Amino acid sequence: DAGVIQSPRHEVTEMGQEVTLRCKPISGHDYLFWYRQTMMRGLELLIYFNNNVPIDDSGMPEDRFSAKMPNASFSTLKIQPSEPRDSAVYFCASSTAAGASTDTQYFGPGTRLTVL
Amino acid sequence: LAKTTQPISMDSYEGQEVNITCSHNNIATNDYITWYQQFPSQGPRFIIQGYKTKVTNEVASLFIPADRKSSTLSLPRVSLSDTAVYYCLVGVRAAGNKLTFGGGTRVLVKP
Repeated sequence: DAGVIQSPRHEVTEMGQEVTLRCKPISGHDYLFWYRQTMMRGLELLIYFNNNVPIDDSGMPEDRFSAKMPNASFSTLKIQPSEPRDSAVYFCASSTAAGASTDTQYFGPGTRLTVL
Repeated sequence: LAKTTQPISMDSYEGQEVNITCSHNNIATNDYITWYQQFPSQGPRFIIQGYKTKVTNEVASLFIPADRKSSTLSLPRVSLSDTAVYYCLVGVRAAGNKLTFGGGTRVLVKP
């Protein structure tokens, strides 16, 4: 398996622009997580889905952030409008309820977002 | 999830054993202890998980005393490529488990 795939790997945009981050989870995984990592706040969970349904979005910072999962193999995290404080590395992770270690999450390589 | 405390950083040399202790005084009966490893510019990677006593895999060993208020991740004979941040997490091993990452321990392996 190719693992969790994220695109783009790097994104530079200007304040006010819309940013869309993409994620393809590992095939067969029914949980998908979006995290944000910064030096100041570390690794934070933003939202997670189970079987394409958002379960907990309490970590989403504000209304400018939205996430969707239209099918089992694709999810997006959108920021509109973007602000410089949104600059961070955004990770997508997936896991499965099957097996012994259901909280073993597989992380993608991340998208490094810079908002100027 | 129970709060964890681990050292901010540790230095070591190639070939040495590295032991990272994590304190989790409020661990609950159903909680497991999980360690993740994060290399620079990569996402975290699961390395080991345990409930009590000792767990060993091809990467590391995890020692958990009887009171489970702490645990120690042991990396045998480290190499330069083991330089990474190591996170200790405590929580219920359940589907959709929300992982709460603390600050982690930054391990630097020197030649």
